[in-house]
Amino acid sequence: DVKVTQSSRYLVKRTGEKVFLECVQDMDHENMFWYRQDPGLGLRLIYFSYDVKMKEKGDIPEGYSVSREKKERFSLILESASTNQTSMYLCASSFRGYYEQYFGPGTRLTVT
Amino acid sequence: ILNVEQSPQSLHVQEGDSTNFTCSFPSSNFYALHWYRWETAKSPEALFVMTLNGDEKKKGRISATLNTKEGYSYLYIKGSQPEDSATYLCASIGYNNNDMRFGAGTRLTVKP
Repeated sequence: DVKVTQSSRYLVKRTGEKVFLECVQDMDHENMFWYRQDPGLGLRLIYFSYDVKMKEKGDIPEGYSVSREKKERFSLILESASTNQTSMYLCASSFRGYYEQYFGPGTRLTVT
Repeated sequence: ILNVEQSPQSLHVQEGDSTNFTCSFPSSNFYALHWYRWETAKSPEALFVMTLNGDEKKKGRISATLNTKEGYSYLYIKGSQPEDSATYLCASIGYNNNDMRFGAGTRLTVKP
């Protein structure tokens, strides 16, 4: 079974802090994704990566950056956390192309 | 940016009822459609990946159809059970991976 893990289930940070969210997958998938989920808005794509050191912006990349130094690990970085970044963050991976995505358990981030 | 729309937003049915919901998506630049099931406190799990116009897929009591020309997909659940209670998400994928849109989901509650 594919396993996607995220570094924290719950995180509380202060405004202005730098925040790292880590995601690791164990199935040698090419694609990895970061989403945020807010009530009534569904999942919105922040960034995705189709290979090591490659990244593409999604719908809402502002205020975020990403890093993929190794194939199995994809990090989401909030350079200076703001209260409007309080949300549920979900990481996902897929084999390639349009294959189904496998999701991590999510990190609920609260920025105060 | 054209959105993926799901209807209804929520649905309450009795155990044993059959039900269906809709996903509408932009038909231009279409590559694939995904359906996911998201139970409370769990991660979204893929149900179906569909690519061809007229595609029909089935998994147990759940089935889905796809019309890429008019831009819609239906998900059907036959004889709903309480364990079917979940949010059902669809996602439309374009030829570029960053052209990926999730709907806001249909929240299904099946009462025993």
